[in-house]
Amino acid sequence: EIVLTQSPGTLSLSPGERATLSCRASQSVSSTYLAWYQQKPGQAPRLLIHGASSRATGIPDRFSGSGSGTDFTLTISRLEPEDFAVYYCQQYGSSPITFGQGTRLEIK
Amino acid sequence: QVQLVQSGAEVKKPGASVKVSCKASGYIFTGYYIHWVRQAPGQGLEWMGWINPNSGGTNYAQKFQGRVTMTRDTSISTAYMELSRVTSDDTAVYYCARDLVYSTSSPFDYWGQGTLVTVSS
Repeated sequence: EIVLTQSPGTLSLSPGERATLSCRASQSVSSTYLAWYQQKPGQAPRLLIHGASSRATGIPDRFSGSGSGTDFTLTISRLEPEDFAVYYCQQYGSSPITFGQGTRLEIK
Repeated sequence: QVQLVQSGAEVKKPGASVKVSCKASGYIFTGYYIHWVRQAPGQGLEWMGWINPNSGGTNYAQKFQGRVTMTRDTSISTAYMELSRVTSDDTAVYYCARDLVYSTSSPFDYWGQGTLVTVSS
């Protein structure tokens, strides 16, 4: 099983700042099979990024993904008020599909 | 538009079974895998398995093998997840989610609204 470890656990930033979230895998993940999701309280997760760097339909270009192998990053270039949420990475290339434990992005 | 609409909240006693439904609309039901993901209160996301609505084939996470059964009824575009012998550790919101593309290796682009299952004596 591929274990995904996200850091930091909580990130406190202000609107307009840049956010950098990390996801590290216990073994190599083909970059084709790494996704990022956003989840707000009481809502289902929303797909942001797939294939490590491809934005899902309708996702603003302030969200970008990068990385390969075991280290992946989600960057939000300029935080908007609606971006404060929990973010999860996911690998979907090998079974079982696994998620990171999440990074909470909170308003400073 | 694509929608996945799940059944309502359930309260179960320990040892019972629970069955959650996920009705799909707005796309060809047999054209995309359906996954089930759960989230315990205040916790992260846990993948349970998938069903291929076309063939009925399934793949379950080892943790749930022997306790989970995923089925579908193509005539009403609905997928089901049944979990047996539930305990308090199974208290969670259960989500169904659709593959972005028809593949066993695909992220999830549409999600149901979630079904809260509470296990309590």
